[in-house]
Amino acid sequence: DTEVTQTPKHLVMGMTNKKSLKCEQHMGHRAMYWYKQKAKKPPELMFVYSYEKLSINESVPSRFSPECPNSSLLNLHLHALQPEDSALYLCASSQALDYKGTQYFGPGTRLTVL
Amino acid sequence: SQQGEEDPQALSIQEGENATMNCSYKTSINNLQWYRQNSGRGLVHLILIRSNEREKHSGRLRVTLDTSKKSSSLLITASRAADTASYFCATVRGYNNNDMRFGAGTRLTVKP
Repeated sequence: DTEVTQTPKHLVMGMTNKKSLKCEQHMGHRAMYWYKQKAKKPPELMFVYSYEKLSINESVPSRFSPECPNSSLLNLHLHALQPEDSALYLCASSQALDYKGTQYFGPGTRLTVL
Repeated sequence: SQQGEEDPQALSIQEGENATMNCSYKTSINNLQWYRQNSGRGLVHLILIRSNEREKHSGRLRVTLDTSKKSSSLLITASRAADTASYFCATVRGYNNNDMRFGAGTRLTVKP
């Protein structure tokens, strides 16, 4: 199984809502990532988890809260978002301590904040 | 933050022609990878070149890396309409290779 799944595929939320994005992989990868991608722009790294511990946080606003409950799951909790947070949120995974660092991406969650 | 620039930003060619995309980056790297993305969906890994390599081939793909100029190029030969997509270079750094930053990307359109 070389698939990274993300749910939901689409999410519309108001600025006062609390929602969560979910990512799952069963490739035994021990590094997982969240990226944010605006239209016609490259993905921007948000968070990296390595062995279920947060290893990189790219100064992301606290209204985004990542969680890695186990080696297969990665969540992104959303609260009090702004309309400019509307984007495609991509999850990826890779083998930790892998000499290549090749990442496998999920299809993304398209988020719209009203 | 974004690592580097890619050019051209957009490229339109006829089926059967070759497509060349360039990528420049700013910091030292462990390796450089190229990814493809169709219509705002997930990215797919195409090819990886390590910092001590100069050229790699995979099927119709050829990648070059010049670490002295901090630049790379991706050549797609004999392009097909199905190659229409956005192509991103990504530089990998860090002791465990999990710090990956993407270039701006090239939008390739292959006309049938």
